[in-house]
Amino acid sequence: AQSVTQLDSQVPVFEEAPVELRCNYSSSVSVYLFWYVQYPNQGLQLLLKYLSGSTLVKGINGFEAEFNKSQTSFHLRKPSVHISDTAEYFCAVSDNNAGNMLTFGGGTRLMVKP
Amino acid sequence: DGGITQSPKYLFRKEGQNVTLSCEQNLNHDAMYWYRQDPGQGLRLIYYSQIVNDFQKGDIAEGYSVSREKKESFPLTVTSAQKNPTAFYLCASSISGRSYNEQFFGPGTRLTVL
Repeated sequence: AQSVTQLDSQVPVFEEAPVELRCNYSSSVSVYLFWYVQYPNQGLQLLLKYLSGSTLVKGINGFEAEFNKSQTSFHLRKPSVHISDTAEYFCAVSDNNAGNMLTFGGGTRLMVKP
Repeated sequence: DGGITQSPKYLFRKEGQNVTLSCEQNLNHDAMYWYRQDPGQGLRLIYYSQIVNDFQKGDIAEGYSVSREKKESFPLTVTSAQKNPTAFYLCASSISGRSYNEQFFGPGTRLTVL
C-alpha cells in the first residue's frame, strides 16, 4: 500500500525568502508523484508532476521539485516566495498498481509574511 | 472552457436531512471521484467511478451514496446516516486507465450541518 507523509503541517516564511516543503512516500513499485496547491475555499490545482526521466521537475508559478528514489522523497522548492504563494500544498502519489487512484499527504500550509 | 463545476458552493443541512451535491465535467473524462476534506487534514476518498453505471466505495463511504448515469455527471448524496457531515467536498475527474494521469478538481462545496 502507498502512503505519503508531509513532514511539516505549517511553514512560515518571509516574502522573497526560499522555501522547501517536504514530502516522503512509500510504495513497493515505481511511482508517479504530484504536487497540488489549494487556495482558500477553492479546489486543487496541479503545480507539477513527476512521471519519469529527469528527476528535477519544473512547474507553474516558479515551483520545482526533485524526485529522490533512494530517499523516497519529492520535496517542493521555490527560490523566492511571494505573498500570493500563501496556500495549502498537497503531495500525492500513484503507481501502476493503483489504477487512477491518488494517495494524498496531509498537506502543508505555507504562510508567507511581508 | 473545459472544466469541472460543483454546486452549490455553500450548503446548509438540518439534522436528519439528505442533501445532494452536484458535480459536472465537460472534459470527456471517464473517471470521477468524490473527496472529503476536513480542517488540517488531507483528502479522503468517498466514492469513485471509472465508467458510466459503475462506482466503487472509497475509504469513507459510510453515510454517502452516488450515481453515475451520465459520463459528465457524478452527484453525491450525503444521507442522514452520515454522523458528522460538516466538511468541504471536492469532486475530481481524470482520464481513465493510466496511473500517471493527474486528477482535475472542481471548486468544492462547503456543507454545514445546522
